[in-house]
Amino acid sequence: AQSVTQLDSQVPVFEEAPVELRCNYSSSVSVYLFWYVQYPNQGLQLLLKYLSGSTLVKGINGFEAEFNKSQTSFHLRKPSVHISDTAEYFCAVRGHNAGNMLTFGGGTRLMVKP
Amino acid sequence: SAVISQKPSRDICQRGTSLTIQCQVDSQVTMMFWYRQQPGQSLTLIATANQGSEATYESGFVIDKFPISRPNLTFSTLTVSNLSPEDSSIYLCSVSTGTGDYEQYFGPGTRLTVT
Repeated sequence: AQSVTQLDSQVPVFEEAPVELRCNYSSSVSVYLFWYVQYPNQGLQLLLKYLSGSTLVKGINGFEAEFNKSQTSFHLRKPSVHISDTAEYFCAVRGHNAGNMLTFGGGTRLMVKP
Repeated sequence: SAVISQKPSRDICQRGTSLTIQCQVDSQVTMMFWYRQQPGQSLTLIATANQGSEATYESGFVIDKFPISRPNLTFSTLTVSNLSPEDSSIYLCSVSTGTGDYEQYFGPGTRLTVT
């Protein structure tokens, strides 16, 4: 079984400032890692994913994340945020075992202020 | 990838009634999932629906309360029965294409309010 902890429920930040949203996971098997974004009144959209290979993965809208196996972390970063990045961000893991489903973290609300 | 639509997008229902949510995918998929997102909360998996077999429910969710149909590879329904205010949530349909990208795609959700 897997579990995901998003350490910050809310992150306020000013426009054009950098941001990091933290995600730690626990699993007894190797995992695939994902970040999803949910804009107000919308479904979830994939930002990026780590399956294998380079531990630094780049996604849409200028976001990137780094997989750190020793720290079991997958933090999401953006060097300069925009007002339009205001949304809920979910970290999720999926075990390598066939049939394993996504397990979601509690979410982090990113609030970008002008 | 997969494009998912859900109907209705939102509804207000009275206590004791039921609501059936439809999920339509633009391609054939093996695995479909139903999630619940309670207000201000993360997503919780209700069940996995595979075509040709009965849905598999997660702990805390039962078929009598959340019956699911999966008549073909592009469509599924979730019914929320005997509604109570605690059922007020967003219900999301999700699919896995099984093509090796390990990604799940999500529908826009159905916002249910029970009065």
